Amino acid sequence: EAGVAQSPRYKIIEKRQSVAFWCNPISGHATLYWYQQILGQGPKLLIQFQNNGVVDDSQLPKDRFSAERLKGVDSTLKIQPAKLEDSAVYLCASRTAGLSITDTQYFGPGTRLTVL
Amino acid sequence: KNQVEQSPQSLIILEGKNCTLQCNYTVSPFSNLRWYKQDTGRGPVSLTIMTFSENTKSNGRYTATLDADTKQSSLHITASQLSDSASYICVVTGWYSSASKIIFGSGTRLSIRP
Repeated sequence: EAGVAQSPRYKIIEKRQSVAFWCNPISGHATLYWYQQILGQGPKLLIQFQNNGVVDDSQLPKDRFSAERLKGVDSTLKIQPAKLEDSAVYLCASRTAGLSITDTQYFGPGTRLTVL
Repeated sequence: KNQVEQSPQSLIILEGKNCTLQCNYTVSPFSNLRWYKQDTGRGPVSLTIMTFSENTKSNGRYTATLDADTKQSSLHITASQLSDSASYICVVTGWYSSASKIIFGSGTRLSIRP
């Protein structure tokens, strides 16, 4: 079974520039998550999709971050304009839409963003 | 406030030794608790999952315990290997209005020295 794919793996930009990350979840997984992980910290949820609908985006800085999941499969996360404090690893995860409390999130390798 | 706190923040042990990582949480109502291993430059990978009724779960040399009354969990690693060097993240899921809420701890950074 193929895992969660993310690209690019690394990105370096200057502040005020724009950047976009792409995620392809595991086939058949209806739920998709984007997390921000700052060095030395645990992942922080940015947005959760169920198919192509948003379930939770309460911690997404909507003035500069946006995400979409057209057709309920792949997803993109965009930052415009980037700030220095956005330097972090952006993780994508997916899981099935089942109600089993033991369903596991599967994480991609992440995209490491450095804002200069 | 729903929180997950882990200790220690970092730990260095010699290869072959055992160690125990701690996780305290205040997430309520509680659904399940997972321990993840995150290698440098990789995404987290699930090691164990425990629900309210389970108090211990093993995965090879990893053994997790859960005390739902005191809201504490531990991850015990036996006979550590160099490949165990990683961050270990405790993740607690709660249920709110028929939707799950996943709370991550900050992780314990474990380094195994030869």
